[in-house]
Amino acid sequence: DSGVTQTPKHLITATGQRVTLRCSPRSGDLSVYWYQQSLDQGLQFLIQYYNGEERAKGNILERFSAQQFPDLHSELNLSSLELGDSALYFCASSVGSGGASTDTQYFGPGTRLTVL
Amino acid sequence: AQKVTQAQTEISVVEKEDVTLDCVYETRDTTYYLFWYKQPPSGELVFLIRRNSFDEQNEISGRYSWNFQKSTSSFNFTITASQVVDSAVYFCALGESQGGSEKLVFGKGMKLTVNP
Repeated sequence: DSGVTQTPKHLITATGQRVTLRCSPRSGDLSVYWYQQSLDQGLQFLIQYYNGEERAKGNILERFSAQQFPDLHSELNLSSLELGDSALYFCASSVGSGGASTDTQYFGPGTRLTVL
Repeated sequence: AQKVTQAQTEISVVEKEDVTLDCVYETRDTTYYLFWYKQPPSGELVFLIRRNSFDEQNEISGRYSWNFQKSTSSFNFTITASQVVDSAVYFCALGESQGGSEKLVFGKGMKLTVNP
């Protein structure tokens, strides 16, 4: 158990819908990351938050957004869902060094999103 | 640009065989970090090791060992006396700390099947 929790574990929805994925980092971790794992793209970095502020963006679609709350949990919002958004979405957390180094990222169990 | 290449996509061995998973990386940074993660059939990503670019010492942890060679930009992972429980997809990842981002760039993964 990494200490990172994600809910829900599974999500099935229809095209055009909007969903919210939730992540709670390990106790004491300030950085939260979101990754998408799909068969064709592999594991891709989406976005990072550090202590409530957006730190870096990767290959995140404009239909996707995220935020980190004062209690450090994070939510990833996916809207206008398409079939191609079906994937495993991971949240990870790390202590966060403010960019001075790359700390170990511990991953949650993932949310499997299926868009029908 | 950062890139991680895991040339082998799938390996199948018989229990007790040794197996080496290759990882080659590309980066222009002098300071970077390398990681290995394991993804068992249950789907979670499990952290195995983190290495920084200044530490080229090989590391051994039980049946696992890692060989880091900066000269060939490789960070290979060997499992000695493999067991069925080692069956998983293994990912090599590269992290940089430029611009405050601590994102990881993953290889495509290598699926290891250990047969009894």
